[in-house]
Amino acid sequence: DAGVIQSPRHEVTEMGQEVTLRCKPISGHNSLFWYRQTMMRGLELLIYFNNNVPIDDSGMPEDRFSAKMPNASFSTLKIQPSEPRDSAVYFCASSPQVDGVSGYTFGSGTRLTVV
Amino acid sequence: AQSVTQLGSHVSVSEGALVLLRCNYSSSVPPYLFWYVQYPNQGLQLLLKYTSAATLVKGINGFEAEFKKSETSFHLTKPSAHMSDAAEYFCALNGAGGTSYGKLTFGQGTILTVHP
Repeated sequence: DAGVIQSPRHEVTEMGQEVTLRCKPISGHNSLFWYRQTMMRGLELLIYFNNNVPIDDSGMPEDRFSAKMPNASFSTLKIQPSEPRDSAVYFCASSPQVDGVSGYTFGSGTRLTVV
Repeated sequence: AQSVTQLGSHVSVSEGALVLLRCNYSSSVPPYLFWYVQYPNQGLQLLLKYTSAATLVKGINGFEAEFKKSETSFHLTKPSAHMSDAAEYFCALNGAGGTSYGKLTFGQGTILTVHP
């Protein structure tokens, strides 16, 4: 089991550019979560999916952020246009069940820097 | 609404000393509680979890935590610290049922430093 795979590991982009972060959850996990981590705000849940359907996107900060899960093995988080305040580490996590009883398995994260 | 408060953003101990990281929670429904560890430039790794079974939960790397409903606490302990325990630790809450079903709420994290 390769775990939750995120790409890229690091991304540096200029303000105004589109950024796409990718995540491959663990096979068989039905729930997928996107988190953002910053020094100031800690870990924030952006959105989560169950069986590829978005369940709660109340954490998505602005319309510039969007997330999709076209199938059980792939999800994207897109920021368009990007701004310097979007700089953070973005984590994807997956869980076997939506109730999270088993806990989450996190990916290694994507460190995004917007200059 | 549910929340998690970790008391102390930084804890420093000597190698071999007791580790105690504090976590208090607020939840209107019976909670599931978790501790995660994050090493530099890595994702979060599950240390242990409480899901309404035994109140004393044992995890990996010699860590354990005790759920105390009366104190709304879930403190993390380890009898003897190792240098390799230096990391950031997060307490997390999942409200079982209700609008927070399936969603983890994290505390702000506690950075553990271990001195030789």
